[in-house]
Amino acid sequence: GAGVSQSPRYKVTKRGQDVTLRCDPISSHATLYWYQQALGQGPEFLTYFNYEAQPDKSGLPSDRFSAERPEGSISTLTIQRTEQRDSAMYRCASSSRDRGEQYFGPGTRLTVT
Amino acid sequence: GIQVEQSPPDLILQEGANSTLRCNFSDSVNNLQWFHQNPWGQLINLFYIPSGTKQNGRLSATTVATERYSLLYISSSQTTDSGVYFCAVTGNQFYFGTGTSLTVIP
Repeated sequence: GAGVSQSPRYKVTKRGQDVTLRCDPISSHATLYWYQQALGQGPEFLTYFNYEAQPDKSGLPSDRFSAERPEGSISTLTIQRTEQRDSAMYRCASSSRDRGEQYFGPGTRLTVT
Repeated sequence: GIQVEQSPPDLILQEGANSTLRCNFSDSVNNLQWFHQNPWGQLINLFYIPSGTKQNGRLSATTVATERYSLLYISSSQTTDSGVYFCAVTGNQFYFGTGTSLTVIP
């Protein structure tokens, strides 16, 4: 697509539920990134993909967080057994190459009640 | 990891004034970007500037990679410039700064 899209834009879930967030990158872009942004702070790196490969997932805060990009295009970020501290904006970005210029989607605002 | 510090943390300007935002980083980086997070939360690309100087209208940026800093210049500020400005660097991982919150008052 013309830009990075994310869905849903807003998600409210109850503590303990699983959630899956989706990112559709710019169509020609090889690299896709996930970030978590708490209110009033800058985005923090979670993980990234080069096509299907996931070279770095060290930023994932716990094993409840996982991400996939099975066909090298759309990616999902899944949080299992959500906790209130997971409430944040989740941002996806893509770039044409590894460590290239990143373009961000609108984000998904997750609220865990 | 790489520490990225931005200054000032907050800035209030009268419309028409000029300003300089600074980004210091603690280690060598592969690239550097400046973003504007608008009041609706969208992150807008301003500059991709691993080194050197670039200009885009009223905005310009300079990165001196050997001295580990970058500057963002805003001239003739407008109310639409309000928001948070982030510097982001890429080394082994990807790091955002703490941001500068800018308010431009008419």
